[in-house]
Amino acid sequence: GIQVEQSPPDLILQEGANSTLRCNFSDSVNNLQWFHQNPWGQLINLFYIPSGTKQNGRLSATTVATERYSLLYISSSQTTDSGVYFCAVFTSNDYKLSFGAGTTVTVRA
Amino acid sequence: DAEITQSPRHKITETGRQVTLACHQTWNHNNMFWYRQDLGHGLRLIHYSYGVQDTNKGEVSDGYSVSRSNTEDLPLTLESAASSQTSVYFCASSPGTDNYGYTFGSGTRLTVV
Repeated sequence: GIQVEQSPPDLILQEGANSTLRCNFSDSVNNLQWFHQNPWGQLINLFYIPSGTKQNGRLSATTVATERYSLLYISSSQTTDSGVYFCAVFTSNDYKLSFGAGTTVTVRA
Repeated sequence: DAEITQSPRHKITETGRQVTLACHQTWNHNNMFWYRQDLGHGLRLIHYSYGVQDTNKGEVSDGYSVSRSNTEDLPLTLESAASSQTSVYFCASSPGTDNYGYTFGSGTRLTVV
């Protein structure tokens, strides 16, 4: 099956710092999602981004489908940004999401 | 409002017991999925269903079973619980052939002692 790799596995930030999270995938995909898992364990969809760039407040994402990677940018980080960020890819042949192992982000005040 | 609910939220069971985790959705979605979340692995697919009476194995299906007798429910059964099945379990549903509208439950934390 398709392989999804995220880096770095852990990230510690000082409040106000910027950061970039990376997701590499091994095959062509129909769509890609970024999720944030909050401290209560809830998975919150951040972006559907099969290609191009999208922005939502302090978060933005870019997917370069031809090179099989996606980046999630966090600007001016806040303590509420802490949690685990997952990249997941979707292929239409089986309607399934395949997840990376996640990046654990800790933002310190 | 439509939703997807999992129960129980937390469960402790003993090795060798049969355990069933419930998943109920009111989105009227055709597709339902069970994932487990473990540190260092992200979410891994256990079983999935594309409709009533349809079930399929995912990448980590050994020791688990599901049945789909109606659109709303996909219960996950651990036939004989093992300590390696201690994990957080997420149910998800989606309406059709793309991932838009893919919705997750709040998870069930299972501990096997």
